[in-house]
Amino acid sequence: QVQLQESGPGLVKPSQTLSLTCSVSGGSISSGGHYWSWVRQHPGKGLEWIGYIYYNGGTTYYNPSLKSRVTILVDTSKNQFSLKLSSVTAADTAIYYCARVSGYDFYFDPWGQGTLVTVSS
Amino acid sequence: NFMLTQPHSVSESPGRTVTISCTRSSGSIASNYVQWYQQRPGSSPTTVIYGDTQRPSGVPNRFSGSIDSSSNSASLTISGLKAEDEADYYCLSYDSSISNWVFGGGTKLTVL
Repeated sequence: QVQLQESGPGLVKPSQTLSLTCSVSGGSISSGGHYWSWVRQHPGKGLEWIGYIYYNGGTTYYNPSLKSRVTILVDTSKNQFSLKLSSVTAADTAIYYCARVSGYDFYFDPWGQGTLVTVSS
Repeated sequence: NFMLTQPHSVSESPGRTVTISCTRSSGSIASNYVQWYQQRPGSSPTTVIYGDTQRPSGVPNRFSGSIDSSSNSASLTISGLKAEDEADYYCLSYDSSISNWVFGGGTKLTVL
């Protein structure tokens, strides 16, 4: 059973780059034709899709509202994928989730447990 | 671009049936599949409905999804409510015009 686990700094200073990694266990990130996604949730608020990358690392899709600041990469050798969000502000404080997206039915499952990132000086 | 609008909260008694709506602001609700996610307090979301009406394995058949073109909305219906169903529920659909996934604002279900 595939499991995902987010990791990275819990505190980032304003104007810096937020960097998170999602480690995939129980299956290969490069098999099955899946997409690998990041979703965030502002404290006490709803969900916001950030973007995803195809399993072969060749294609990325980003939320248009974040596109200029987001980079998602996949590292098949480590069975991980990553998120970089540049020029962060307090508005980027959120719980960040990674999730697998079925390449056929396009539903997000499973999800990682989420990691809280706070942007503050 | 479109938005998905959900009621902020709903409540119902155990054993009863509740329906949560998700209304698309523009374009046809039938244009792109709707998914539903359950998020219990302190937990990650899990899928309860995909492809408008499909249940992932392991999701009880008390959960069902539908779409209604006349109201341009999707609905999640939960029958035989249990205390464990108390959670936030989010609808999700794809905006093909700008290649963006759009979540509804979420509905807090309280099982009284």
